Amino acid sequence: AQKVTQAQTEISVVEKEDVTLDCVYETRDTTYYLFWYKQPPSGELVFLIRRNSFDEQNEISGRYSWNFQKSTSSFNFTITASQVVDSAVYFCALIIQGAQKLVFGQGTRLTINP
Amino acid sequence: ETGVTQTPRHLVMGMTNKKSLKCEQHLGHNAMYWYKQSAKKPLELMFVYNFKEQTENNSVPSRFSPECPNSSHLFLHLHTLQPEDSALYLCASSQEDRGKTDTQYFGPGTRLTVL
Repeated sequence: AQKVTQAQTEISVVEKEDVTLDCVYETRDTTYYLFWYKQPPSGELVFLIRRNSFDEQNEISGRYSWNFQKSTSSFNFTITASQVVDSAVYFCALIIQGAQKLVFGQGTRLTINP
Repeated sequence: ETGVTQTPRHLVMGMTNKKSLKCEQHLGHNAMYWYKQSAKKPLELMFVYNFKEQTENNSVPSRFSPECPNSSHLFLHLHTLQPEDSALYLCASSQEDRGKTDTQYFGPGTRLTVL
């Protein structure tokens, strides 16, 4: 069975600080995909990034960056120079190749204070 | 309309009512999903439809009845619900091709309260 753990339930920082959201996963499958979704107060899950298990290259998109390390089964998400609009609940998720069931972590509620 | 839409956005119902949630995807996808998000639990997959056929039922009680008339529309019919069924119900869609696992795109959800 697969499992995703987001140990940080809530994080609160002041605007412009950098913040890292942790994600640790478990799976015995060799081919899988990892995702991050953002859920603002409106409720919609907004897709941020997808990574396959064979691509450990880190990715940067504007102020967002992701660090995928298979050795530690982690897929961490960093927001640089945080802004109030980044306040949301962030979910890490895993799906194995050929499956359609996304396994989600518990989510991390991020609050950016002005 | 773009992406995945859901109606209504909010619903309050009594335990004896019958109501339906509607989802529509405008992405040309062939798979649709219902997920449940409760306050104290991670997001849980409820149902999966591929090409209008139900391919997964994640041990969901029969008081939840899904319907997928075509690849663009998905319904969740509700009857005789319990207060613990109060949650955010999220619909998603993806393009599933043989051997390829696609990204699931989500709608804004329906916030359901059962009194």
